[in-house]
Amino acid sequence: DAGITQSPRHKVTETGTPVTLRCHQTENHRYMYWYRQDPGHGLRLIHYSYGVKDTDKGEVSDGYSVSRSKTEDFLLTLESATSSQTSVYFCAAGGAKRGAGYEQYFGPGTRLTVT
Amino acid sequence: EDQVTQSPEALRLQEGESSSLNCSYTVSGLRGLFWYRQDPGKGPEFLFTLYSAGEEKEKERLKATLTKKESFLHITAPKPEDSATYLCAWAGGATNKLIFGTGTLLAVQP
Repeated sequence: DAGITQSPRHKVTETGTPVTLRCHQTENHRYMYWYRQDPGHGLRLIHYSYGVKDTDKGEVSDGYSVSRSKTEDFLLTLESATSSQTSVYFCAAGGAKRGAGYEQYFGPGTRLTVT
Repeated sequence: EDQVTQSPEALRLQEGESSSLNCSYTVSGLRGLFWYRQDPGKGPEFLFTLYSAGEEKEKERLKATLTKKESFLHITAPKPEDSATYLCAWAGGATNKLIFGTGTLLAVQP
């Protein structure tokens, strides 16, 4: 158990509505990440955080925003959901200890369907 | 462009039939090569990190090796419970970001 939880686990929403996904970790990891996973594309980085209030864009950040007000929580917001954002979203975290490697530990995922 | 390529895309083995999965990368500045296992409907589970050419790591029936441009995940005498998608990822540059391959779907039949 990597100590990473995601909520909700499943969500169906309508086009144009805002959606927020939550990631919570208990291991005091410094870095946190949001990925989406789609068939044929593998895992693609949306946004990541390297500390409280410190975030940066990944390769597929358009239409998404993030916030990290506490070490343990990382929120992903779809500002106005579109059908192309139907996907499985994974949160990951890593770098808990000084000198830790680059390995990341993943949550169980959120399956989001935009109708 | 930095890329991580995995082959084959899918592999079907009989129980006990050993084989290898390949992960090649066209990047410079390797800071770590990672292997993950992903079961259907679940998040990737961390298996190994390799940092330098020649390094090997083992866990049960799995052994990961690393050369300058590729990594192999060797599966010895696999069992049906080894069926999963195996992902590799590369870390490089100045950030803690990983670049993932698209995975190898392994099916082990009894």
